[in-house]
Order: sequence, then structure tokens, then C-alpha cells
Amino acid sequence: GENVEQHPSTLSVQEGDSAVIKCTYSDSASNYFPWYKQELGKRPQLIIDIRSNVGEKKDQRIAVTLNKTAKHFSLHITETQPEDSAVYFCAAGGGAQKLVFGQGTRLTINP
Amino acid sequence: SAVISQKPSRDICQRGTSLTIQCQVDSQVTMMFWYRQQPGQSLTLIATANQGSEATYESGFVIDKFPISRPNLTFSTLTVSNMSPEDSSIYLCSVVGTANGYTFGSGTRLTVV
Repeated sequence: GENVEQHPSTLSVQEGDSAVIKCTYSDSASNYFPWYKQELGKRPQLIIDIRSNVGEKKDQRIAVTLNKTAKHFSLHITETQPEDSAVYFCAAGGGAQKLVFGQGTRLTINP
Repeated sequence: SAVISQKPSRDICQRGTSLTIQCQVDSQVTMMFWYRQQPGQSLTLIATANQGSEATYESGFVIDKFPISRPNLTFSTLTVSNMSPEDSSIYLCSVVGTANGYTFGSGTRLTVV
């Protein structure tokens, strides 16, 4: 089955700098790669996703890149702000099938 | 995207008892997923709930411990049976909304004492 590895487990950056979180997956059949943000005590919220027929997607300060050949995808957050502090999860899945999640990255933005 | 109402939001239960968690979706969905999130950990899929058939359980999870019902396309329940402190977790239901976006319920924070 699918296995998703996420790095780093913790990341601390200065406000205004960029943050990058990386994930690898094992199942070449996976074609859907979402990223979730989870604030303390709250449910995971979808922030951006990408499908296998696209190499990059951007939404304001957030971007995701996908390399299907290497089976890895990354989340890029630019101009980080204190409200970006949270735990971020990547996931991989196919169509309407189950999502397998990475281990999570605790991102801290230092003022 | 789909809106999910999950309850209870939290509960404290005695070991050996059972708790049933409910998820109601505001639209019909084919598949519903039940996840567990242990403290400080990622989300682990327990099972996929299909309407009209038995749930499909992931490795390490069994029907006797986590029975699931899916009576229609908008509702599902997960029961945590014969609870022990190790079952203390957040339990979340999830559905696939439009364009493959997965939406989560607000979660049930379970503490077993």
C-alpha cells in the first residue's frame, strides 16, 4: 500500500522568510496530493492540492510542486506570517480512494 | 465543499465501556472515512465506510473493536468498543467532496480513564 514520508518534523523560520516541507510517496498509482494545515485543537483544513497531471500550483503565498518521476512533492510558503504557525500534513491518494498522511511538520514562525 | 456535523465533540469515558461517534453530511457521498489521530501524531485511517456494504478496515483495526454503520449516503457512526486508555485519541470522519477535496468533521476528542 501507499507510504508517505514527510520532512522535516519541525521547522522554525523567521517571519517573512520562506518555508519548505517535503514529502515522498511510494505508490505510483496515487494521483492526488493535498496539503492540510491543523491548528491546535482544530480539524485539518485543506490549504492546497495538486493532481498528477500538473507539476506546480500556486495560491497566493502557498505553492505546491510535484515530481511524479521521483515520487515527491513539496509545499512552499513564502513571506511567512505568525498565523502560518501550525502543523502541516501532506497526503497521497487516488481519485475517491483513501488518503494516506505523512507524519506532519510543526512549523513555527518567529517574529 | 461538503459540511460535516460530528458529535460528540469530546467525551470522557470509563474503561471497558463503548462510545458511538456520529457524522452527518449535508450532501450524499459515496464513501466516508474514519481516522484516528493520537496525541501529537498524524492521521491514521481506521476504515472506509461504504453504504450498503460492510466497512473496509485497515491493517491493525478490526470490526469487533471499531464497528461502523453506514445506513445511508449522508450518515455514519463509529463505535469504539471495550475502551482502554490507549484508545484516547481524536477521531475524525472525512468525506470526498467535489473535485476530490477531502473534508473533515470537527473531530471527537476521546479520553478513557
